[in-house]
Amino acid sequence: RKEVEQDPGPFNVPEGATVAFNCTYSNSASQSFFWYRQDCRKEPKLLMSVYSSGNEDGRFTAQLNRASQYISLLIRDSKLSDSATYLCVVTVDSSYKLIFGSGTRLLVRP
Amino acid sequence: DAGVIQSPRHEVTEMGQEVTLRCKPISGHDYLFWYRQTMMRGLELLIYFNNNVPIDDSGMPEDRFSAKMPNASFSTLKIQPSEPRDSAVYFCASSLRGSGGTETQYFGPGTRLLVL
Repeated sequence: RKEVEQDPGPFNVPEGATVAFNCTYSNSASQSFFWYRQDCRKEPKLLMSVYSSGNEDGRFTAQLNRASQYISLLIRDSKLSDSATYLCVVTVDSSYKLIFGSGTRLLVRP
Repeated sequence: DAGVIQSPRHEVTEMGQEVTLRCKPISGHDYLFWYRQTMMRGLELLIYFNNNVPIDDSGMPEDRFSAKMPNASFSTLKIQPSEPRDSAVYFCASSLRGSGGTETQYFGPGTRLLVL
């Protein structure tokens, strides 16, 4: 079983739609959680950290459920520029080792 | 400000040849990471350094792979001899440790390696 699992998609949505991605992790010792974004043929970039209380950054909302070992990302009012692959990332213990999911691909159409 | 710099951006080589990938981290960052990304396996951490010292190399696939960080501004990842299954995008990333624990890693543009 992979340590971090994501639905690969693609999610194909119209502009303005709301879309949600889910991610599950297997190691209950996981301590830090992130969403990274990767555009086609580019490097990954941090989108947002995920906190236990949930957090919001503009149109993006991240949630963490430690009991279910589940992380989510909600994107409201999708833009064409949101088209990318979204990578769920966790760390274990206090390690700096990032463990990446395989990513969920989002396509936003006009 | 310059981000993480990697060279070369593209490399095509023949099986059996030595390949050296280079990375210059963001100035002042004390952690450096090497990753490999393939369609089959996704993004995998190969090795990481703290203050130029290797901390965890458990992701290095085998003895054909080696990494060094002779100073705070330069690191290399070497594959010798290279094999077709090494074809991938290799990313270097750096971060600065803060009081909050795991800090943001900044990735370089990657080196696309093709081994024929």
